[in-house]
Amino acid sequence: KAGVTQTPRYLIKTRGQQVTLSCSPISGHRSVSWYQQTPGQGLQFLFEYFSETQRNKGNFPGRFSGRQFSNSRSEMNVSTLELGDSALYLCASSLRFGGGPNEQFFGPGTRLTVL
Amino acid sequence: DQQVKQNSPSLSVQEGRISILNCDYTNSMFDYFLWYKKYPAEGPTFLISISSIKDKNEDGRFTVFLNKSAKHLSLHIVPSQPGDSAVYFCAASVDAGGTSYGKLTFGQGTILTVHP
Repeated sequence: KAGVTQTPRYLIKTRGQQVTLSCSPISGHRSVSWYQQTPGQGLQFLFEYFSETQRNKGNFPGRFSGRQFSNSRSEMNVSTLELGDSALYLCASSLRFGGGPNEQFFGPGTRLTVL
Repeated sequence: DQQVKQNSPSLSVQEGRISILNCDYTNSMFDYFLWYKKYPAEGPTFLISISSIKDKNEDGRFTVFLNKSAKHLSLHIVPSQPGDSAVYFCAASVDAGGTSYGKLTFGQGTILTVHP
């Protein structure tokens, strides 16, 4: 069974630009969550999607947005990039939504560098 | 406001000995606690979890202990192997009325090095 895939793996952008990251969950998984990892803040929750609806959102500005498609694939978008957005963006998928510990399977991440 | 804390940035252990990784939390609403392992250039890999209604969960060489009164959990790895060398994160989630566990709150991580 293929794992969670994220594209692209590496990305370099300049301040003010926008970026879209893509995540394909494990086949059959319907819940997708996004996290940002930085050396200073660690792993921080961005948002969670299930059945194309955002179910949970972390404490990030509105420049960070996402969506989920009917095939459970998800994208996240960051507009008006800032230097502080440089981070590893991780996507995680899980089989279900609610009803027990949500064992999440992570992809390898997209390394975003903002110059 | 860091709700989950791993106060030891690193831990060094000899192969065959026990590794004990610690984690403290402040939010008494957390219902589940999880441990993840992360290698460089890879995403975190789930290791083991524990419900807040339990105080111990075991899976092979990995055991997680939960002390709710102290708001403390620990991961024991016995025996430690060089392949266990990685960054270990503890994480916690809240049962939002049974609707979502997808929001994990992570600690800062502990770098474990197991020497041959």
